[in-house]
Amino acid sequence: DAKTTQPPSMDCAEGRAANLPCNHSTISGNEYVYWYRQIHSQGPQYIIHGLKNNETNEMASLIITEDRKSSTLILPHATLRDTAVYYCIVNSGGSNYKLTFGKGTLLTVNP
Amino acid sequence: DAGVTQSPTHLIKTRGQQVTLRCSPKSGHDTVSWYQQALGQGPQFIFQYYEEEERQRGNFPDRFSGHQFPNYSSELNVNALLLGDSALYLCASSLWDRAPGANVLTFGAGSRLTVL
Repeated sequence: DAKTTQPPSMDCAEGRAANLPCNHSTISGNEYVYWYRQIHSQGPQYIIHGLKNNETNEMASLIITEDRKSSTLILPHATLRDTAVYYCIVNSGGSNYKLTFGKGTLLTVNP
Repeated sequence: DAGVTQSPTHLIKTRGQQVTLRCSPKSGHDTVSWYQQALGQGPQFIFQYYEEEERQRGNFPDRFSGHQFPNYSSELNVNALLLGDSALYLCASSLWDRAPGANVLTFGAGSRLTVL
């Protein structure tokens, strides 16, 4: 799996958009960008994933650059409950699906 | 619809002992994976089970073993416990027969093991 680089921590004001960047310059053509988050003392939770087009669901939006070397996870209106470690993972997502986690980004949403 | 359930939630063992952790996958899922998460680190893949067979294994010693039952539930066994085995052990379930890009993992809340 391609390696990803994320900032170790970020802050965001409650109600504002949180934009979490991820670099994955060695991503290959069949690899997807996945985002999971882990709230303290819980298991990781799937957020969103995409191949090359921008994606949106009820939790977040994922913007992938045209060259696919980086992406941004957007939480449009961050709440205190969004405080968590966010993991950006590149994976082909097939039957042998296993995730290689880095240290992620600790997002702290402040009141 | 129940998600992934793990037991026990917390346990304390001493060095040299053996431990068994249990996992019931999300309803409809047939594949179970186990991850170890040390304090301050991201989860690390231990192994994956499908059709009662180990399909993939991460960089963990043979002291770590597992089993999957016909109902898809799974156990993780760790023998000869070391202090360094203290961690949160996460179980995740998924579907085996999914097209590339269609698979996601559903995680349980984990079992926190402390080795003294």
